[in-house]
Amino acid sequence: GQNIDQPTEMTATEGAIVQINCTYQTSGFNGLFWYQQHAGEAPTFLSYNVLDGLEEKGRFSSFLSRSKGYSYLLLKELQMKDSASYLCAAMDSNYQLIWGAGTKLIIKP
Amino acid sequence: IAGITQAPTSQILAAGRRMTLRCTQDMRHNAMYWYRQDLGLGLRLIHYSNTAGTTGKGEVPDGYSVSRANTDDFPLTLASAVPSQTSVYFCASSDHSGSGSNEQFFGPGTRLTVL
Repeated sequence: GQNIDQPTEMTATEGAIVQINCTYQTSGFNGLFWYQQHAGEAPTFLSYNVLDGLEEKGRFSSFLSRSKGYSYLLLKELQMKDSASYLCAAMDSNYQLIWGAGTKLIIKP
Repeated sequence: IAGITQAPTSQILAAGRRMTLRCTQDMRHNAMYWYRQDLGLGLRLIHYSNTAGTTGKGEVPDGYSVSRANTDDFPLTLASAVPSQTSVYFCASSDHSGSGSNEQFFGPGTRLTVL
């Protein structure tokens, strides 16, 4: 079957670094997405990886290992506004997204 | 319009009533999707459309129907609402042109309560 696993909740301190892990199993693979979702709002796109390696975009970086079915989202220099849920989603062979339940990130001052 | 709009923003509905959630995009994306999001669960795909005139069933299609008469609009209909359909509904679209990431863009959501 198809499955995405990510931690339910994480806590970090303002100014620190946090890594949110995601493992996936899909029928075929066409890329791994990370989205940010603030409470009561729609998900917004953060990153896309289809090849192995690290993609850096400002304070956010995303890593993919296709052989391990593993990705992580790295957030640096955490700010209070980064408090949100982070959704991992893998695109299967039909170009449909399979979504994880999301990781709620709590930032403490 | 810029992006995707959904209507209504929220709705309280009596069980057994018919309801249509509206979704319109102005990005000329060929693919559109309807998801529901429930606490503790990931986004679950209800129905999708890869191009105008075609639709397909997602993970949780029962009790819902869709149509795609043109590129811009993708309404979702609940024929006879039940309390288990209480959820937040998101419409999304993406450009399956063969280039780029196939990133999905989301509407603001409709919060539906069925009593």
